[in-house]
Amino acid sequence: ETGVTQSPTHLIKTRGQQVTLRCSSQSGHNTVSWYQQALGQGPQFIFQYYREEENGRGNFPPRFSGLQFPNYSSELNVNALELDDSALYLCASSVQTGGFTEAFFGQGTRLTVV
Amino acid sequence: AQSVTQLDSQVPVFEEAPVELRCNYSSSVSVYLFWYVQYPNQGLQLLLKYLSGSTLVKGINGFEAEFNKSQTSFHLRKPSVHISDTAEYFCAVIDTGTASKLTFGTGTRLQVTL
Repeated sequence: ETGVTQSPTHLIKTRGQQVTLRCSSQSGHNTVSWYQQALGQGPQFIFQYYREEENGRGNFPPRFSGLQFPNYSSELNVNALELDDSALYLCASSVQTGGFTEAFFGQGTRLTVV
Repeated sequence: AQSVTQLDSQVPVFEEAPVELRCNYSSSVSVYLFWYVQYPNQGLQLLLKYLSGSTLVKGINGFEAEFNKSQTSFHLRKPSVHISDTAEYFCAVIDTGTASKLTFGTGTRLQVTL
């Protein structure tokens, strides 16, 4: 158990719809990162939030957006879903201290777009 | 930018045999290196990390890895595997300057059989 929880664990959406995925960070962690893991691939960095501000973004289109709340929980929103968005979405929380700190991953949300 | 190459997509091995999972990386900046394990339908768990110091690092579950700067490699080893080690293993790097975005390889499936 990492203390990072994601919801829902699974969901199915139709192409063109919008989806919101949620992540509750480990207590005391002020940084959340989101990753997309397509089937048979390694996780790909989507973006990171630190103290409610975006703090780095990977090569994902603007229809992927996020929020971080004052309690450091986070949401990942994806608009205009495409079939290729089907993947496991992983959230990782950590503490920004100016150096490296370990990121703890949640169990992921499996999104299927049909 | 960084990239990570895991040359073996699958590694079959008998129980109690030794195993090595290979990882090579490319980066224009200094990096930290990691190995993560992913069990079915779960998130990622950190096995071990190299930040600095001794190039041989020991992790959980009897795994160890050796950082070789000249060969830009960080191979994972275990002298005797168990059935319970069957999982997907990911090598990853992070820029020491930003310490924010993990770049993962495509993963190696370790299949341990009797």
